[in-house]
Amino acid sequence: DTGVSQNPRHKITKRGQNVTFRCDPISEHNRLYWYRQTLGQGPEFLTYFQNEAQLEKSRLLSDRFSAERPKGSFSTLEIQRTEQGDSAMYLCASSMRRGGREYGYTFGSGTRLTVV
Amino acid sequence: TQLLEQSPQFLSIQEGENLTVYCNSSSVFSSLQWYRQEPGEGPVLLVTVVTGGEVKKLKRLTFQFGDARKDSSLHITAAQPGDTGLYLCAGRDGSSNTGKLIFGQGTTLQVKP
Repeated sequence: DTGVSQNPRHKITKRGQNVTFRCDPISEHNRLYWYRQTLGQGPEFLTYFQNEAQLEKSRLLSDRFSAERPKGSFSTLEIQRTEQGDSAMYLCASSMRRGGREYGYTFGSGTRLTVV
Repeated sequence: TQLLEQSPQFLSIQEGENLTVYCNSSSVFSSLQWYRQEPGEGPVLLVTVVTGGEVKKLKRLTFQFGDARKDSSLHITAAQPGDTGLYLCAGRDGSSNTGKLIFGQGTTLQVKP
């Protein structure tokens, strides 16, 4: 297993366009998280899944954002009608939740989005 | 709303010096993690502390979790240029089963040769 994989690594898009990012977690992990990080700041939580169920969404996740994890494996994050304020690094992380504990929390390398 | 405040935000030191980074909150966390992040990459986990008062060492890095599990510190001895990077603390909510992490704003460390 090569860890958490995110694609694309970089995306430049024009304001108003839709973009979609993909995250492939570590294969045996049942939890998957999305975070957003702007330059010089710590990551901010957006949403997370346990298997295919989306269990929590941050208020940061406006109705232009949608995330899915249809088969409990990979996940996609879509941003509709992008705005310049959406420019950030989008990070995915995965972990295994078992017996009330969480193991192996691992981040991917992120997708850098630039909206021009 | 749970918040973690890190200090200092920026630190530039000479090789061989010691430093301490602080992570403080008014909230209790069930665990606290420290990460190091290079430009253009995701955070990489350094350590997780779980028990109040716990001290963990990783080579020249010493991590401490406060007795009340509201604060933590990272001490680096004899810093090296390879220690340069963004250091992040992150806490897990002590009152729920959520796995989401609350991050501090980070400390950018530059170690000059």
